[in-house]
Amino acid sequence: DSGVTQTPKHLITATGQRVTLRCSPRSGDLSVYWYQQSLDQGLQFLIQYYNGEERAKGNILERFSAQQFPDLHSELNLSSLELGDSALYFCASSVDAGTYEQYFGPGTRLTVT
Amino acid sequence: AQSVTQLGSHVSVSEGALVLLRCNYSSSVPPYLFWYVQYPNQGLQLLLKYTTGATLVKGINGFEAEFKKSETSFHLTKPSAHMSDAAEYFCAVTLSGNTGKLIFGQGTTLQVKP
Repeated sequence: DSGVTQTPKHLITATGQRVTLRCSPRSGDLSVYWYQQSLDQGLQFLIQYYNGEERAKGNILERFSAQQFPDLHSELNLSSLELGDSALYFCASSVDAGTYEQYFGPGTRLTVT
Repeated sequence: AQSVTQLGSHVSVSEGALVLLRCNYSSSVPPYLFWYVQYPNQGLQLLLKYTTGATLVKGINGFEAEFKKSETSFHLTKPSAHMSDAAEYFCAVTLSGNTGKLIFGQGTTLQVKP
């Protein structure tokens, strides 16, 4: 158990819908990262937050957004869902914003039908 | 821009045999390197990391990796494979600085045969 929690574990929804994925980092970790894992793209970095502020952005679609709240939990919002958004979404956390090891949650498996 | 290449999407070894998973990176500045393992239906678990200092790093479960700057490699090894090592392994790179975003390789699935 990494100490990072993600909810829900599974999510099935229809195209065009909007979903919210939630992540609680390890106690004491200030930085949260979101990654997408799919068969065709592999593991890709989406976005990073540090202590409530956006720190780095990767290949995140405009239909996707995220935020980190004062209690340090983070939410990833995916809207206007397409079939190709079906993937495993991981949240990871680290102590700081730099090159510290990241601890990954169990992931949320999103299926868009 | 940095990138990671893992040679071989599938590696099969017999139980007790040497495990060698290959990783090459591309980076314009000294990288920080990581190996993660993913068991079925689970998240990623850190096996080991290289930041600075000793180039041979030891990780959990008997794994180790050696950073070779001249070869831009960070291969993962284990002297004797165990059935429980069957999983997917990811090499990742990041750069020193104020963001720790990881760039992952495509992954290598390790099969261990009895």
